[in-house]
Amino acid sequence: ETGVTQSPTHLIKTRGQQVTLRCSSQSGHNTVSWYQQALGQGPQFIFQYYREEENGRGNFPPRFSGLQFPNYSSELNVNALELDDSALYLCASSLGGGGTEAFFGQGTRLTVV
Amino acid sequence: DQQVKQNSPSLSVQEGRISILNCDYTNSMFDYFLWYKKYPAEGPTFLISISSIKDKNEDGRFTVFLNKSAKHLSLHIVPSQPGDSAVYFCAVIPNTGNQFYFGTGTSLTVIP
Repeated sequence: ETGVTQSPTHLIKTRGQQVTLRCSSQSGHNTVSWYQQALGQGPQFIFQYYREEENGRGNFPPRFSGLQFPNYSSELNVNALELDDSALYLCASSLGGGGTEAFFGQGTRLTVV
Repeated sequence: DQQVKQNSPSLSVQEGRISILNCDYTNSMFDYFLWYKKYPAEGPTFLISISSIKDKNEDGRFTVFLNKSAKHLSLHIVPSQPGDSAVYFCAVIPNTGNQFYFGTGTSLTVIP
């Protein structure tokens, strides 16, 4: 059974740039959620995709956008990067659009300079 | 507005003793509760969960207790082992949604 994988693992970007983070969900899972974890904080919900549709969104501005593909893998796009976007971005996959146990990837550490 | 709080940022316990990690939440609409464990450079790993219709769930050395009236969740690890040293996050899910609300984490150190 393939676990959740994220790429890249580390990334450095300049303020104002755009970034795309990728996530492959666990085999058999049709739901992907994205979280942002700032230093010393718990993960904060960005949004969830279920069967290629957005299925809930947290308190993040529109410059955070996403996509889910037919194979249920997903992308997180962030435009106009700000210094405060520096964080660990976590992808979680689960089965079903509701709340269930989710399995997390190792995360992408984004640094904005 | 932090809806889930873990008031102890760190905890040190001797190997073989009990570790008790605590979590408080504010919203009575939360009805599913989970604990995740996180090692450095890894994503959170699911540990144990409990639904609001129960007050206790046990899995080996790990037991989660839920006190709905106090809006309090705790994780007991008995006996604690050095490999348990990690950051532990509690997470809650509302009955009307699908997102996890995480606490800020408690860093557990088990001393050999």
